[in-house]
Amino acid sequence: GAGVSQSPRYKVAKRGQDVALRCDPISGHVSLFWYQQALGQGPEFLTYFQNEAQLDKSGLPSDRFFAERPEGSVSTLKIQRTQQEDSAVYLCASSLARHNGNTIYFGEGSWLTVV
Amino acid sequence: KQEVTQIPAALSVPEGENLVLNCSFTDSAIYNLQWFRQDPGKGLTSLLLIQSSQREQTSGRLNASLDKSSGRSTLYIAASQPGDSATYLCAVRRYSSASKIIFGSGTRLSIRP
Repeated sequence: GAGVSQSPRYKVAKRGQDVALRCDPISGHVSLFWYQQALGQGPEFLTYFQNEAQLDKSGLPSDRFFAERPEGSVSTLKIQRTQQEDSAVYLCASSLARHNGNTIYFGEGSWLTVV
Repeated sequence: KQEVTQIPAALSVPEGENLVLNCSFTDSAIYNLQWFRQDPGKGLTSLLLIQSSQREQTSGRLNASLDKSSGRSTLYIAASQPGDSATYLCAVRRYSSASKIIFGSGTRLSIRP
């Protein structure tokens, strides 16, 4: 596709429910990032993939958060047993290559509300 | 630990004014710095990317500068328009952890017609 696509755009989950958020990066992009953005704040890093390899998951806030990119393209961020503090916008981004000088492109985010 | 600060948090100016947004970072060992724009309910749009070896980048009415030694970057917007109203975020990529891009909290800009 022309840009980074995320789904669902909006999700309301009951506390304790599991959710899965999907990211379709720009075709051919090697690097993929997940970020969490709370209201009024800048995005906070969650995890980074290079192709199918998850090279950095230091930003995942707890073991309830899990991300995968099994074939090096589409990625899924899963949150188990959601809690109210998980309410945020989850942003996916991709960039063309491993070279760190590339521009990164963001999707419009998945807005998660836990009630 | 890298910290990125943006001041002011919010700014309102009349249309047509030139303005400067500020970004400061604590660790000067950065790979690059990127300025983004975020509209309400939307993702981030990249505006300008400055590599660590560069001093500035320009795109249309936007000019971004980088001074690594002082840990500062500015985004200059010339002849502001109501359509420029958005939140502007700066983000740095460090050598020590290049997979992790660190964002500031943003400056919320409002241009009054």
